[in-house]
Formats: sequence, C-alpha cells, structure tokens
Amino acid sequence: EAGVAQSPRYKIIEKRQSVAFWCNPISGHATLYWYQQILGQGPKLLIQFQNNGVVDDSQLPKDRFSAERLKGVDSTLKIQPAKLEDSAVYLCASSPRDLYTDTQYFGPGTRLTVL
Amino acid sequence: RKEVEQDPGPFNVPEGATVAFNCTYSNSASQSFFWYRQDCRKEPKLLMSVYSSGNEDGRFTAQLNRASQYISLLIRDSKLSDSATYLCVVRGVSGNTPLVFGKGTRLSVIA
Repeated sequence: EAGVAQSPRYKIIEKRQSVAFWCNPISGHATLYWYQQILGQGPKLLIQFQNNGVVDDSQLPKDRFSAERLKGVDSTLKIQPAKLEDSAVYLCASSPRDLYTDTQYFGPGTRLTVL
Repeated sequence: RKEVEQDPGPFNVPEGATVAFNCTYSNSASQSFFWYRQDCRKEPKLLMSVYSSGNEDGRFTAQLNRASQYISLLIRDSKLSDSATYLCVVRGVSGNTPLVFGKGTRLSVIA
C-alpha cells in the first residue's frame, strides 16, 4: 500500500515570497492533517480536513496560510507571504476511517527554509 | 503549563540497558494517549497506544497514571536501532479534538 505522498521534499525561498505544498493521502483515507514541525519541537496541527470539509483550523495563521482539499483527496497548503519563522518541516498525515481513528500516517514532509 | 511536557534529553545509554521516559499532560479530560517514534529527518510513526491498564509490546511497555497525569515508556534491552526521538501524544475529550504532541525525548543507544 502506498504511503502519504508529499512534494516538494525541500524548498528554499526568500521572505515575502509565496510557496505551496502538495499532499496525496493514502487511498481511501477520509481525514487529512497538515502539521508544522519547527526544529526541536513536536508537530503542531495547522488544519484538519474530513473529506473536503475543514474540521479544525484554529491554529492556522489565516492571514498568510491557506489550505484546501477540493475533491476530498489531495490537498495543498499555501503560505503567502512567507516569514523567517515559517522555516519548518510541513508534515501531511491521513487517517483511514473517521474522526475517531487514532492512528495517523505521516508523509515524509516538506522542509521549508525561508531566507 | 504546556499541554504535553517531556524531558528533551538526550538520553545516552549503552546497548542492553533499560531506559524510561516520562511525559506529563495538563488536560485532565484527555482520553487517548500514544507514543510516536521519529527518526532523524523522518516522519513520526506510531509506536504504541497507551491504555489505562498499561500495555506491553515486546521490549516496550507503556503506562498511564491518570491521577498524576503522566505517561511513561519503558524500553528494555535497548538496541542501536532504538535510537530516535520519542514523542508523547495526547488527544482531548473526543475523537474530534486534535492530537497534541510533546517536543520529544531524544534517545541515543551506544555500542
């Protein structure tokens, strides 16, 4: 079974530029998550989708971050404009069934460096 | 007080040693508890869930103490391949609440 796919794996941009990340969850997984993991910290949830609806985006900095999952499958996360403190690994994860499933499967992440 | 707190380590132990990590959580209403493992520059992976009665998976034993609001992970007979960061993870009152990750505890097993 294929895992969670993410691209790109690495991205270097200058501050104030825009960037977008893509995630394709495991086939059939209804729940999709985007996390931000800053060096030395645990992952922090940015947004959670159930199919194509947003379940939780309370920690998403909405002035600069946006995410969508239009057809309930793959998802994109965008940052516009980027700040230095956005340098982190952006992890996508998916869960197989519904909101009450505990196991999350993570993708390899996108490592973002903002200069 | 942070939601989930862990000693960041590093814990440097010889092969064959027994090592234990603790984690405390602030929300007494939390319902689900886990340990995830994260290798260097890799994604987190579920190691084991933590149940009230305690649970064991081979060399790994997890315990939950609800009264004191802490979770522990015990690793017996440490292997070189156990070297990783161990993330304590807590979920709130229902499946609708997000997982909250601790900062992780780094373990290095030395030959």
